[in-house]
Amino acid sequence: ETGVTQSPTHLIKTRGQQVTLRCSSQSGHNTVSWYQQALGQGPQFIFQYYREEENGRGNFPPRFSGLQFPNYSSELNVNALELDDSALYLCASSLGTSGTDTQYFGPGTRLTVL
Amino acid sequence: GQNIDQPTEMTATEGAIVQINCTYQTSGFNGLFWYQQHAGEAPTFLSYNVLDGLEEKGRFSSFLSRSKGYSYLLLKELQMKDSASYLCALPGGSTLGRLYFGRGTQLTVWP
Repeated sequence: ETGVTQSPTHLIKTRGQQVTLRCSSQSGHNTVSWYQQALGQGPQFIFQYYREEENGRGNFPPRFSGLQFPNYSSELNVNALELDDSALYLCASSLGTSGTDTQYFGPGTRLTVL
Repeated sequence: GQNIDQPTEMTATEGAIVQINCTYQTSGFNGLFWYQQHAGEAPTFLSYNVLDGLEEKGRFSSFLSRSKGYSYLLLKELQMKDSASYLCALPGGSTLGRLYFGRGTQLTVWP
């Protein structure tokens, strides 16, 4: 157990809808990173938040947005869902933003877009 | 940028030893992570190497050669529960704490 939780476990949406995924980091971890993992692929970095500020972003369009709250919870929001957004969404928490900080992953949210 | 290459699939039998290789190219090295991921589950941390050499942790060991851009994960005394995807990952880029993952190596352990 990593102490990182995510909700919901599974979600089914239709194209064009909006979705909010939630993550609760380990207590004391100021950094949360979000990843998208398509079937048979490694996770792809979406963005990272450090102390409630975006700290970096991968190659994802602006309809992917996030929030981080002072209580170690965070959200990933996706607007105007597309079929290709179907994937496992993982959040990972870490102490800081250093490359040497181990990231601990939550169990993920499986999103299906129909 | 970062480029990571791993074999897509490997098979082995219970009790055997298997070596999963990872080759990489990076503009700035900040260590290398190995994660294990069972189907439909979260990646779990196995090891982090930043210096050359072998680090042993129970049945799992990880090796790094920075000059060759090469790492491997060595799994001994294989068990059925070791059937999983093994992900090699590099931190770095403009966001130092982001991880670049390889596609993962799907290991199947047969009885």
